Amino acid sequence: AQSVAQPEDQVNVAEGNPLTVKCTYSVSGNPYLFWYVQYPNRGLQFLLKYITGDNLVKGSYGFEAEFNKSQTSFHLKKPSALVSDSALYFCAVRPWMDSSYKLIFGSGTRLLVRP
Amino acid sequence: NAGVTQTPKFQVLKTGQSMTLQCAQDMNHNSMYWYRQDPGMGLRLIYYSASEGTTDKGEVPNGYNVSRLNKREFSLRLESAAPSQTSVYFCASSEGGFSGNTIYFGEGSWLTVV
Repeated sequence: AQSVAQPEDQVNVAEGNPLTVKCTYSVSGNPYLFWYVQYPNRGLQFLLKYITGDNLVKGSYGFEAEFNKSQTSFHLKKPSALVSDSALYFCAVRPWMDSSYKLIFGSGTRLLVRP
Repeated sequence: NAGVTQTPKFQVLKTGQSMTLQCAQDMNHNSMYWYRQDPGMGLRLIYYSASEGTTDKGEVPNGYNVSRLNKREFSLRLESAAPSQTSVYFCASSEGGFSGNTIYFGEGSWLTVV
């Protein structure tokens, strides 16, 4: 079965420190991988995606993610966290050959950045 | 830029009532989706439409129906609402045709069934 795991329900980090939000996946074949952010009472906003090529992907708001095929991971990172980064983060995967183009989501990780 | 627009934003229903969630996108996307979001469960796909004229069941279709009215619009209907359908519903769209295309989401519809 195809799935995405976000092992941490919540990540706490101090402002200015680096942050990592973890994601691992299980799909048949090559994956396309996505990160979304959700602020309270809002929809999901696209942050970045991995399609092919460079394993380090840069996205919006200073976020980046590293694709690791051997570990089937796609962790989200930011060198210096901001209080405004506090939100709910979702990792998602789409199998390469899935003709429905639908996304499979993880359960989400709440990021709390304290001042 | 409007993107994906869904209505209503908030709705309270009594058990057994019916309602339709409306969704429209102005990005000329081929594929559209309805997801529900529940605490600790991420987003689960209810129905999707890979292209105009087609609809398919997702992970949790029971109790729902959909209509792809045209390329822009994709509605979700609850025929007889149940408390288990209390959730946040998101409509989304993508270009389709390539699995690497980004899916864009609406702002959500908060539904409470009492």
